[in-house]
Amino acid sequence: DAKTTQPNSMESNEEEPVHLPCNHSTISGTDYIHWYRQLPSQGPEYVIHGLTSNVNNRMASLAIAEDRKSSTLILHRATLRDAAVYYCIPGGTGNQFYFGTGTSLTVIP
Amino acid sequence: KAGVTQTPRYLIKTRGQQVTLSCSPISGHRSVSWYQQTPGQGLQFLFEYFSETQRNKGNFPGRFSGRQFSNSRSEMNVSTLELGDSALYLCASSRGETSGGNEQFFGPGTRLTVL
Repeated sequence: DAKTTQPNSMESNEEEPVHLPCNHSTISGTDYIHWYRQLPSQGPEYVIHGLTSNVNNRMASLAIAEDRKSSTLILHRATLRDAAVYYCIPGGTGNQFYFGTGTSLTVIP
Repeated sequence: KAGVTQTPRYLIKTRGQQVTLSCSPISGHRSVSWYQQTPGQGLQFLFEYFSETQRNKGNFPGRFSGRQFSNSRSEMNVSTLELGDSALYLCASSRGETSGGNEQFFGPGTRLTVL
């Protein structure tokens, strides 16, 4: 299973962009890169996923390095509601996801 | 469309007892996965079911088991409860059979406390 490395914590000011990095140097060629977040007292919530190209949706953008060994989740304008633990997960076989420790994002008003 | 539901939301048991947790996936989803979340170990994969068949299993002892019914609803069972089984148990459903590009939808979890 691909291992991931994420910063334990990050801070951002409200309404500023946030770049959350993830290293996944052992990712296999067919693994998607998923990002989920978990707000306090809730189950994880899907944010975005991609394979090779950069991806955008209404929540965020995902920038994937050309060698796929790293990716960056971009929140364009952080809000207080974005304060959560963000998990970067290379997609394995089946639907099992191996969550690491994630990055705890604090948004400062 | 209703989300993933889990029952009960909270449960208190004593050591040695057994417990059954239930998960109803989103309508049309045929894959259900279970996770255990604890402060020390984080989110850990338990097992995954698709069309009533267990497809993958995480690194947990045989006391942890599960099943899936023909309507895709799933149950997990923990026998001979230990204090360390106290955790938030999360269920997730997805539409597809395989991994990779499938989005998983998580329920709110069942908080199990073992005394």
